[in-house]
Amino acid sequence: QKEVEQNSGPLSVPEGAIASLNCTYSDRGSQSFFWYRQYSGKSPELIMFIYSNGDKEDGRFTAQLNKASQYVSLLIRDSQPSDSATYLCAVRGVFNTNAGKSTFGDGTTLTVKP
Amino acid sequence: DGGITQSPKYLFRKEGQNVTLSCEQNLNHDAMYWYRQDPGQGLRLIYYSQIVNDFQKGDIAEGYSVSREKKESFPLTVTSAQKNPTAFYLCASSTPTGSTEAFFGQGTRLTVV
Repeated sequence: QKEVEQNSGPLSVPEGAIASLNCTYSDRGSQSFFWYRQYSGKSPELIMFIYSNGDKEDGRFTAQLNKASQYVSLLIRDSQPSDSATYLCAVRGVFNTNAGKSTFGDGTTLTVKP
Repeated sequence: DGGITQSPKYLFRKEGQNVTLSCEQNLNHDAMYWYRQDPGQGLRLIYYSQIVNDFQKGDIAEGYSVSREKKESFPLTVTSAQKNPTAFYLCASSTPTGSTEAFFGQGTRLTVV
């Protein structure tokens, strides 16, 4: 079992729809959760981070965290063609051997069709 | 402007040759990381360093070496022992507590010729 698993893609949604990206993790000691967007051939850029259970909203993006279920998701409302990219979920622990290093999922590729 | 600079952007290596990838940051971050990304896959951690003169192996350290003599610099050497080095290499930095984001450089694409 991978430490961080993302829903298999590719995911295709029409412009204006809601895109839902999911991520589960195996380490219950994980403290910080990040969503990165990566365009083809480019480096990842952070779009959302969340530390506490519940929802966190930033513009069209909402991150949801459920530590009991070890589940984090990203919702993109009013999807735009410019949102087409690969989305990487990253999980980071604070204590012991996991301190300060992130574990990434394989990513979900999203295509938003005009 | 603060940021992370990786060089070169593209690098070609001959079989049996060692090459060094540069990573410099001026964000005053204590922690730095090297990741490898293969096509269609996520990032895998090669090495990380929480403080100057100290570093730890990540998940795929074999065939790689690093040094951390200065806070700003964390070079990665891909040795001849790394049998399949063709990949996209990303350097990142963050504060060591893990509570903030990682900032990435632009990456180095290494190809074996």
